[in-house]
Order: sequence, then structure tokens, then C-alpha cells
Amino acid sequence: DADVTQTPRNRITKTGKRIMLECSQTKGHDRMYWYRQDPGLGLRLIYYSFDVKDINKGEISDGYSVSRQAQAKFSLSLESAIPNQTALYFCATSDPRTGANVLTFGAGSRLTVL
Amino acid sequence: KNEVEQSPQNLTAQEGEFITINCSYSVGISALHWLQQHPGGGIVSLFMLSSGKKKHGRLIATINIQEKHSSLHITASHPRDSAVYICAVRTSGSRLTFGEGTQLTVNP
Repeated sequence: DADVTQTPRNRITKTGKRIMLECSQTKGHDRMYWYRQDPGLGLRLIYYSFDVKDINKGEISDGYSVSRQAQAKFSLSLESAIPNQTALYFCATSDPRTGANVLTFGAGSRLTVL
Repeated sequence: KNEVEQSPQNLTAQEGEFITINCSYSVGISALHWLQQHPGGGIVSLFMLSSGKKKHGRLIATINIQEKHSSLHITASHPRDSAVYICAVRTSGSRLTFGEGTQLTVNP
């Protein structure tokens, strides 16, 4: 099994629908992140969490919300999806105690909003 | 101007060639990361650098802090090296800023 698992891997939905992308990890890392990738742009941070009770906005949090249900689970929600939220979404984890603070990424969730 | 600029944006090489991908940044950093994104979309971390040079197999990463520049080299390139290579810099507060990536295609 992958260290960081994202579901669904692909989703097509319509404008106005509520969508949840789920992320679970077996790394035991405290830090979890949601990123968005668009063609021609670098990865951009949506939200991040350093602990179960900690939620922080990233660069592009408008239109998104998150929930850190447990150390291992971090969900991203689009309350009312719009077409410009069509993108590839990545969940990632890190552990600063290793000194490297290297990110471990999930395989990505491709979301299309029609 | 982006804080992190990669060049070239696209690179096509023949198998066996030596490849260099460049990353320049404009802010103070605590570390620089090189990542590889496979055609299927998955992203893996290759290196984290704060100074000097690191080597792993055919991959070599260097960083010059004074010049705010890093290079990723691939020796004896192979078609399986075809991927997008992404540079990311870690600034204060642990924030990561990503470059747009370099699409590498290695032809047999």
C-alpha cells in the first residue's frame, strides 16, 4: 500500500456540487498539506496542518475547506465546485524531526468541474 | 517575476546524453528541493540541499547559495528519466515555493 493514499483518483463533477477529496497516510507524519497543480504553474498550497487541532490557510484557500479528522487523515472539500477548480490535487506529508522535512506525495486526484 | 525560475521549460535529449536543468531563485532560502513527477502524475522527492552537492546514482544536484542557483544533472540519460523535474525552495516559516517544472523527454 502507498504511504499516502488519495481518493478518488479521478472525479468529474458539475458546477455547484460539493466535492470531498480524501487523504490518508501511514507515515506517522504530523504535517499534512493540500496542493493544487495547474498546467504552466507550479504547485500551490491550499491548506496545511501541523497537528490534528491545527489548520492553516495556504496561498489559494478561497473556495476550499479542510478537515483533519485524525493524525492520518486530511480531507479537502469544495463546497460549491466551479470550473476554474479543475486541476490536479496533491496531498503530501512531512516530518520535520528527520531534519530533511522532505515531502511525501500522494498519487494525485484529478478533478474536472463541468 | 516568479520567485523560482526553471530553465529550460522543455528539454529533449537522446539516450546517453548528459542533461542539466537549472533553477534560480530570488529569495533567501533554508533549503532547496528537487522533485520528479512521472507521466502518471506521481511526485517523488529526489534531493534536498542546503549547500554543496549531492549524488544519487546518475543524478547529481548542486547549489550555489551566493548566486541563488541550483542545477540538476543526469548522466547517461535513459528514456525512463523522461519526467517533469520540479525545483522548490523552502523559505522562512517552512513555506515551499515551487517552480513550474522542466519537461524532460529522453528518446531512445
